[in-house]
Amino acid sequence: EDKVVQSPLSLVVHEGDTVTLNCSYEVTNFRSLLWYKQEKKAPTFLFMLTSSGIEKKSGRLSSILDKKELFSILNITATQTGDSAVYLCAVPSGAGSYQLTFGKGTKLSVIP
Amino acid sequence: GAGVSQSPSNKVTEKGKDVELRCDPISGHTALYWYRQSLGQGLEFLIYFQGNSAPDKSGLPSDRFSAERTGGSVSTLTIQRTQQEDSAVYLCASSLGQVGGQGGYTFGSGTRLTVV
Repeated sequence: EDKVVQSPLSLVVHEGDTVTLNCSYEVTNFRSLLWYKQEKKAPTFLFMLTSSGIEKKSGRLSSILDKKELFSILNITATQTGDSAVYLCAVPSGAGSYQLTFGKGTKLSVIP
Repeated sequence: GAGVSQSPSNKVTEKGKDVELRCDPISGHTALYWYRQSLGQGLEFLIYFQGNSAPDKSGLPSDRFSAERTGGSVSTLTIQRTQQEDSAVYLCASSLGQVGGQGGYTFGSGTRLTVV
């Protein structure tokens, strides 16, 4: 059974801190790994990673994949209160690539 | 529409009643998905529709759950004889194609179902 484990489950930091969120996975047929940000209810897409060692970057957020060690990290630099959210990691699983297996998420709280 | 629209946004129902949750995907998106997010849990796959193909219902937790998609657009998730363990946020998503190649779904804002 495909599995995604995220750590830590929750994290409280002060504005301006840098954080690293972790995601490890076990999947039968790896295709990609995705990161989402969930504020309130609707998760919004952040990154899709397919190749090891290639950093994806968007503003203060960046992510990288290690296919040998089966994990990914999401970094957020100079955190702001607007970064407070649950960050979800997911991998496509099953015979097709449409079903996502999600981790439980990391709840990030950024305090002023 | 511009985004994935779900209704109602919140629903409180009595145990044993039936509920219907609605999802209106992004226009032109052929794939539609339902997920469930229980408190403290990750998103759990329920069902997948792709065009006119038979849906993948492998994630439905019991025969009290069913879903349909009419005309390749709007979808309804029905839960019969609701139980307290059905309380969760039900998220709908749509995509142009298979998620691995498209970089992800677009999610709706969900329906928070509370069974009392």
